[in-house]
Amino acid sequence: GDSVTQMEGPVTLSEEACLTINCTYTATGYPSLFWYVQYPGEGLQLLLKATKADDKGSNKGFEATYRKETTSFHLEKGSVQVSDSAVYFCALKSELIQGAQKLVFGQGTRLTINP
Amino acid sequence: DTEVTQTPKHLVMGMTNKKSLKCEQHMGHRAMYWYKQKAKKPPELMFVYSYEKLSINESVPSRFSPECPNSSLLNLHLHALQPEDSALYLCASSQRVRAQETQYFGPGTRLLVL
Repeated sequence: GDSVTQMEGPVTLSEEACLTINCTYTATGYPSLFWYVQYPGEGLQLLLKATKADDKGSNKGFEATYRKETTSFHLEKGSVQVSDSAVYFCALKSELIQGAQKLVFGQGTRLTINP
Repeated sequence: DTEVTQTPKHLVMGMTNKKSLKCEQHMGHRAMYWYKQKAKKPPELMFVYSYEKLSINESVPSRFSPECPNSSLLNLHLHALQPEDSALYLCASSQRVRAQETQYFGPGTRLLVL
């Protein structure tokens, strides 16, 4: 079945450092790809998405490019802030099941930014 | 506006209690979802409703009973839960259930079963 693999966490960085969180996927066809962020004690918020190969999603300084050749969707940010501390989930839309599709999530990467 | 609201925010219940979780969206979305999230784990899909009809049940125990009374509301009725059911329950919605649609999540209900 479809699956998503994220880099192991936790990740701890200093403020203004560069961030990369790796995400690779296994899927039939070309699924839509997403990054969601979960701040402590909250639900998931959509951070960015890409729906086809070579698309770049971006939001709040974060970027990710849909790479079909490497089946990857790595999350990057040039200069992180303390407020970026959260858990980040990579996800894809899986194939049709009974007329619907579902999100398949990676395990999540906990990011902590120190001042 | 991409807001999904959930009530209550926190819930403590005994194993013999009956309670309900509520989810609401006013974005005109016709697909709604329930997820369960254990600590330090990703969300796991429980149910999908499409046009107020149950579309997917991911082999969830019958002590969880979903209901979609109209296109804006989604309930999850709980009865005779076990302590291992303690988790964050997330509701989500999307315009449709098709591939390109983005799912928007609510803040969740944190459930503790004693």
